[in-house]
Amino acid sequence: RKEVEQDPGPFNVPEGATVAFNCTYSNSASQSFFWYRQDCRKEPKLLMSVYSSGNEDGRFTAQLNRASQYISLLIRDSKLSDSATYLCVAYGGSQGNLIFGKGTKLSVKP
Amino acid sequence: SAVISQKPSRDICQRGTSLTIQCQVDSQVTMMFWYRQQPGQSLTLIATANQGSEATYESGFVIDKFPISRPNLTFSTLTVSNMSPEDSSIYLCSVGGDRGPLGGYTFGSGTRLTVV
Repeated sequence: RKEVEQDPGPFNVPEGATVAFNCTYSNSASQSFFWYRQDCRKEPKLLMSVYSSGNEDGRFTAQLNRASQYISLLIRDSKLSDSATYLCVAYGGSQGNLIFGKGTKLSVKP
Repeated sequence: SAVISQKPSRDICQRGTSLTIQCQVDSQVTMMFWYRQQPGQSLTLIATANQGSEATYESGFVIDKFPISRPNLTFSTLTVSNMSPEDSSIYLCSVGGDRGPLGGYTFGSGTRLTVV
């Protein structure tokens, strides 16, 4: 079983739609979680950290459920510029490194 | 957050040759990480580069194939040795944030390697 698993998509949605991504992790010792965004042919960039209490940043809401080892990302009022691959990431590898899911591809259409 | 300059951005290399990738950070960092992203895949950690000690490699990666240097706290190199087409990938360096893990990690812009 992979350490971080997420639906690869692609998710094709119209502008203005609400879309939710889910992710599960297998290592209960993982300490911190993130969502990264990766545009085509670019490096990953931090979108937001994920806290147990849930956190919101504008149109983006992230949620962590430690009991279920489940992470989510909700994007409201999707924009064309949201089109990218969204990577679910856990911190806590053997070297203090990040462990990446394979990513969920989002395509927002006009 | 730290700013990373990674070179080269891309290269096309002949099989059997070696390529050295450089990452320069604008601040001192304790640990630097080297990742590989194969086509259509997510990032896989190759090794962790610590200043003053040998790099720590993940399962499936060996020093002879991916030698790493870390001469100081702002610079590291990764060499892909004796390349084959299977090494065609994007290679990225990464450093932790100044708030520790909660601050997220910053990545270099990546090196897109094609081996022919």
